[in-house]
Amino acid sequence: DQQVKQNSPSLSVQEGRISILNCDYTNSMFDYFLWYKKYPAEGPTFLISISSIKDKNEDGRFTVFLNKSAKHLSLHIVPSQPGDSAVYFCAASASSGGSNYKLTFGKGTLLTVNP
Amino acid sequence: DVKVTQSSRYLVKRTGEKVFLECVQDMDHENMFWYRQDPGLGLRLIYFSYDVKMKEKGDIPEGYSVSREKKERFSLILESASTNQTSMYLCASRSLWTGRYGYTFGSGTRLTVV
Repeated sequence: DQQVKQNSPSLSVQEGRISILNCDYTNSMFDYFLWYKKYPAEGPTFLISISSIKDKNEDGRFTVFLNKSAKHLSLHIVPSQPGDSAVYFCAASASSGGSNYKLTFGKGTLLTVNP
Repeated sequence: DVKVTQSSRYLVKRTGEKVFLECVQDMDHENMFWYRQDPGLGLRLIYFSYDVKMKEKGDIPEGYSVSREKKERFSLILESASTNQTSMYLCASRSLWTGRYGYTFGSGTRLTVV
């Protein structure tokens, strides 16, 4: 049972345009969401997060939007740069229900930004 | 700068060998995790440890065991390596107090079993 879903395995965009990566979740107990970025042969690094009490969080070129009613979040990168090419993982955690904040990851989306 | 260090970046082992993957963190984090990453399957949790000498199975523990004798070190053990354990292995840690703000990952160990 996949609780965090990234339905697009890959996405290709032109440099300077917007990249939109999507993530859906099924567990209504999730109340904190994170995006990680991973380059080949490296560990994932934290990118941006959002609490369920917000619907938007922005950090420079990166913005995460949360739609709780749809159980959907998205990561927007504007403008996209070639260095953004990486695998992006969506992750979620719950503050209750005994999960002790354990992260549940999606399968990832490979973003390719073409010069 | 906080760090999670995995002892090997690349490892090649033979089928049937006992393999040790080591992970050390210098942040005094209570929780530590072992994941494997495979194409199309994302990050899958193998084992985790909430504190010293504690361990819990993740989603895919078969064929693996772990050891956490000291707070800073979390070892993943492949008792008898098999070719289907060829993968990228990632260690992570987090603080019990700020843990909901995410994990810190190591750089990974690319293990090939031949």
